[in-house]
Amino acid sequence: KAGVTQTPRYLIKTRGQQVTLSCSPISGHRSVSWYQQTPGQGLQFLFEYFSETQRNKGNFPGRFSGRQFSNSRSEMNVSTLELGDSALYLCASSDPQGAYEQYFGPGTRLTVT
Amino acid sequence: AQSVTQPDIHITVSEGASLELRCNYSYGATPYLFWYVQSPGQGLQLLLKYFSGDTLVQGIKGFEAEFKRSQSSFNLRKPSVHWSDAAEYFCAVASRSGNTPLVFGKGTRLSVIA
Repeated sequence: KAGVTQTPRYLIKTRGQQVTLSCSPISGHRSVSWYQQTPGQGLQFLFEYFSETQRNKGNFPGRFSGRQFSNSRSEMNVSTLELGDSALYLCASSDPQGAYEQYFGPGTRLTVT
Repeated sequence: AQSVTQPDIHITVSEGASLELRCNYSYGATPYLFWYVQSPGQGLQLLLKYFSGDTLVQGIKGFEAEFKRSQSSFNLRKPSVHWSDAAEYFCAVASRSGNTPLVFGKGTRLSVIA
């Protein structure tokens, strides 16, 4: 099976802009989670989607949002970008029918200038 | 609140030497336990997991980890480190009740010298 794919891999945006990141899970996986990774804060959970519904949400401002489509692909959006949003954004998928383990994509490196 | 502590930020070992990376967790009940590895510029790869049963679990790339309930620990070990093992290692936990996100430690960066 193909792994989790994320697009784009690298992105440079300016403060105040918005950005949309995309994640395609492993075929058959219906749960998609998003994480933000920064040197200072480490890996922080953003949100999880399962069957097009947000099931869990981390402690991030409302500028961070996401959605999931019927084919389980997911997007996350960040509006009004701030310098502190510069990070590696990781997507992970899991199979709720199986053991609770998440498989990660390569990430999208977002740089806000 | 649930938390995961990896006390060593950076460890340097010689190639061929043994390795132990420490992980302690604070959780209401025994959670699911995981170790992930991240190479530079890459996503996270699952090394091994503990759900139940034998407290010594084997993973990929020759890694193993031992769950010790009394110490709330899940330390990762490898008998002989290879230069390609240089990476960042993350311990993570998740609730057995399901439908909860992974909680990660801050990571331990492993350097391997000749």
